[in-house]
Amino acid sequence: QVQLQESGPGLMKPSGTLSLTCAVSGGSISSSNWWSWVRQPPGKGLEWIGEIYHSGSSTYNPSLKSRVTISVDKSENHFSLKLTSVTAADTAVYYCARLSPADYMAFDIWGQGTMVTVSS
Amino acid sequence: EIVLTQSPGTLSLSPGERATLSCRASQSFSSNYLAWYLQKPGQAPRLLIYGASSRATGIPDRFSGSGSGTDFTLTISRLEPEDFAVYYCQQYGSSPVTFGQGTKVEIK
Repeated sequence: QVQLQESGPGLMKPSGTLSLTCAVSGGSISSSNWWSWVRQPPGKGLEWIGEIYHSGSSTYNPSLKSRVTISVDKSENHFSLKLTSVTAADTAVYYCARLSPADYMAFDIWGQGTMVTVSS
Repeated sequence: EIVLTQSPGTLSLSPGERATLSCRASQSFSSNYLAWYLQKPGQAPRLLIYGASSRATGIPDRFSGSGSGTDFTLTISRLEPEDFAVYYCQQYGSSPVTFGQGTKVEIK
């Protein structure tokens, strides 16, 4: 059974670059699925950040596109998120999730989430 | 961008009652790409329904989804104690992927 696990710093200073990694276990990142990042500010709803295929093809939310890079490492079976120039508005729980074409591109598997706080 | 508007914001019901949640889109898209999720405090969302009406693996049949075009509905036929949570709809019919703002189902 595929599982996802996020890792990264819990606290960051404004203007820095957020880097998170999502480890994929129990399956291959080279399967016919897309891999995505979703975030949730405290007490608020869900926001899609972007997605990537194992080929490296990626799509980003236009609201974040200028600051976001998602990459995939097939040898390590993980994918990563980089978000530059962070501010307090980027404080959120960050989830990695699998998008399943078999489920009409629904997020069928989620990581447990990692809280990132941006504060000076 | 497709905006998904969920209503009501909060639904106060008792266990055993029927819950009807609405998700309305700002423009039409393929209903194949509409999903529903349940989220409990401190947990990641969990997929309930995909393709507007198909239950995800392990989801009990008291959960059902329907709708097309711009109007979609999630129905919980008889609320169990573990169903009290926040529910989100999500679309992949048009980029960017968007979520509704959520409906909280609380115990009356």
